[in-house]
Amino acid sequence: KQEVTQIPAALSVPEGENLVLNCSFTDSAIYNLQWFRQDPGKGLTSLLLIQSSQREQTSGRLNASLDKSSGRSTLYIAASQPGDSATYLCAVRSGNTPLVFGKGTRLSVIA
Amino acid sequence: DVKVTQSSRYLVKRTGEKVFLECVQDMDHENMFWYRQDPGLGLRLIYFSYDVKMKEKGDIPEGYSVSREKKERFSLILESASTNQTSMYLCATSQELHYGYTFGSGTRLTVV
Repeated sequence: KQEVTQIPAALSVPEGENLVLNCSFTDSAIYNLQWFRQDPGKGLTSLLLIQSSQREQTSGRLNASLDKSSGRSTLYIAASQPGDSATYLCAVRSGNTPLVFGKGTRLSVIA
Repeated sequence: DVKVTQSSRYLVKRTGEKVFLECVQDMDHENMFWYRQDPGLGLRLIYFSYDVKMKEKGDIPEGYSVSREKKERFSLILESASTNQTSMYLCATSQELHYGYTFGSGTRLTVV
């Protein structure tokens, strides 16, 4: 059964710092991997979707990479801002099964 | 963009009540999902549906049922609400395998 782990569980950084969030998964036979953002008390907002055949995806200051063979993905946030403070969730899709989520990394960017 | 609408943002119900959580999507997606989210436990899959009239149990279906009479609507039913069903409930939708998921804004349910 697919398991997804996110490290660290929480992270606090000063504004302007570049940072990396990590996601690992146990079964490398995935179709795609999706990164989400969640603000307190709200739903999930999709940030980036990486297909299994891709190595990375970029959107603005965000860059997500995928190394399927090693079961890892990273979300890189450049020049962090207080508005980036949120919980970031990684999820993988394998076969015909629904998305499996990690427990998230809670990010605080301090002004 | 796909819009996924959950009928209530906040809901307070009494123990033993039958509770309906509604989710409607506007993009003709085949697949719909219900998750619950709890601190320390993350998102857990309750039920999902890959087609109208079709439903599959997820990881934690006990105490819940679902209904999908029309493609755009997927309802989660708490047959007899209990306090341990107090949670954030999230509905999601997707197309085929290579597409991402889109989530609704969630329903925060409190059972007293």
